[in-house]
Amino acid sequence: GDSVTQTEGPVTVSESESLIINCTYSATSIAYPNLFWYVRYPGEGLQLLLKVITAGQKGSSRGFEATYNKETTSFHLQKASVQESDSAVYYCALGASSGSWQLIFGSGTQLTVMP
Amino acid sequence: NTKITQSPRYLILGRANKSLECEQHLGHNAMYWYKQSAEKPPELMFLYNLKQLIRNETVPSRFIPECPDSSKLLLHISAVDPEDSAVYFCASSPGRYSGNTLYFGEGSRLIVV
Repeated sequence: GDSVTQTEGPVTVSESESLIINCTYSATSIAYPNLFWYVRYPGEGLQLLLKVITAGQKGSSRGFEATYNKETTSFHLQKASVQESDSAVYYCALGASSGSWQLIFGSGTQLTVMP
Repeated sequence: NTKITQSPRYLILGRANKSLECEQHLGHNAMYWYKQSAEKPPELMFLYNLKQLIRNETVPSRFIPECPDSSKLLLHISAVDPEDSAVYFCASSPGRYSGNTLYFGEGSRLIVV
């Protein structure tokens, strides 16, 4: 079946440091899945951070970037310089299509940015 | 996010019946219920497209979804169990086809005592 594996948390970094959260996927229901990063800030619901639907393309938002790499089946999330406000849980997700559309989420990575 | 509203936001229950409500103001055709238990990712429970139940995951029969119109979604829970403690997210998307982004509500946190 379809699945997503991402960096296990919690991850703690200091403000201004760089960040990478690894994400790899396995897609059996669809050859070219759409890939997403969602974020959940404390006390809030899930929000779309970025989305890439074409292999080889890069998505970016709020200083975060992720490149859709079909060869390595990866979609790692990176940021050059994190801020305290980036503290949240980050979810990598795969758009699957076995009959109907749904998102398959990774287990989530809790990120804490220390001031 | 006020475009998808859920109520109640917090709920503490014994073995009782309760309904969760969701309304989306995005004009979307598809609506979803996801369940997120502690330390786990969100998992799809139900999917409606144009008021029709398209996908019914293997959830316990005590969960009954209802879609009175394309902008509203309900989740009726009868005789809750401690394993039902979780955050229930409502989501919507333009349609049920591949490529659509899902937009989530803020969730309803259910605590079963």
